Amino acid sequence: SQTIHQWPATLVQPVGSPLSLECTVEGTSNPNLYWYRQAAGRGLQLLFYSVGIGQISSEVPQNLSASRPQDRQFILSSKKLLLSDSGFYLCAWSERAVMTGELFFGEGSRLTVL
Amino acid sequence: RKEVEQDPGPFNVPEGATVAFNCTYSNSASQSFFWYRQDCRKEPKLLMSVYSSGNEDGRFTAQLNRASQYISLLIRDSKLSDSATYLCAVKPGGSYIPTFGRGTSLIVHP
Repeated sequence: SQTIHQWPATLVQPVGSPLSLECTVEGTSNPNLYWYRQAAGRGLQLLFYSVGIGQISSEVPQNLSASRPQDRQFILSSKKLLLSDSGFYLCAWSERAVMTGELFFGEGSRLTVL
Repeated sequence: RKEVEQDPGPFNVPEGATVAFNCTYSNSASQSFFWYRQDCRKEPKLLMSVYSSGNEDGRFTAQLNRASQYISLLIRDSKLSDSATYLCAVKPGGSYIPTFGRGTSLIVHP
């Protein structure tokens, strides 16, 4: 069966510090991969999605970036965090071959920027 | 108008009650529809996909109304464990990107 893991689960970072969140998927090949952010009391905001290695689409201009160095690995980064980057970050995957589009989420990474 | 809209609630119901949520969408090209459940401080989990003919999974029934552009989720015989936020998601045909509503909060009390 397919599994998705992301880490770290929780982190507290000072403003201006770098960020790296990692996500890996097991049990499937060539998945679509997504990074979402959910701010407190807000909906899910799509940040990036990827349909293949090295292929990244950005939905929202910001100081975050994403990379997909391997088929089942998706990384979210920032060189300098802002207070507004605080939130719950969720990685997700979907089957490329299935256009119905069900998304399956990782456990999430809760980021607090102080 | 937002692409996907949900009443945030909270819906506060007693155990055993029947409760229904609606989710309206603005893109008439939408082809795939989903309900997710999100527990507090946890990730969303797929509850059920919504098919044109409607579908049922135990106490949960999902329906699609294309003419009025909304989907619904009906929960019968509510349990305390049903307390959560229910997110709807809508995806246009040919797209990999679903759009999520902000969710409806359900609180089931004894």
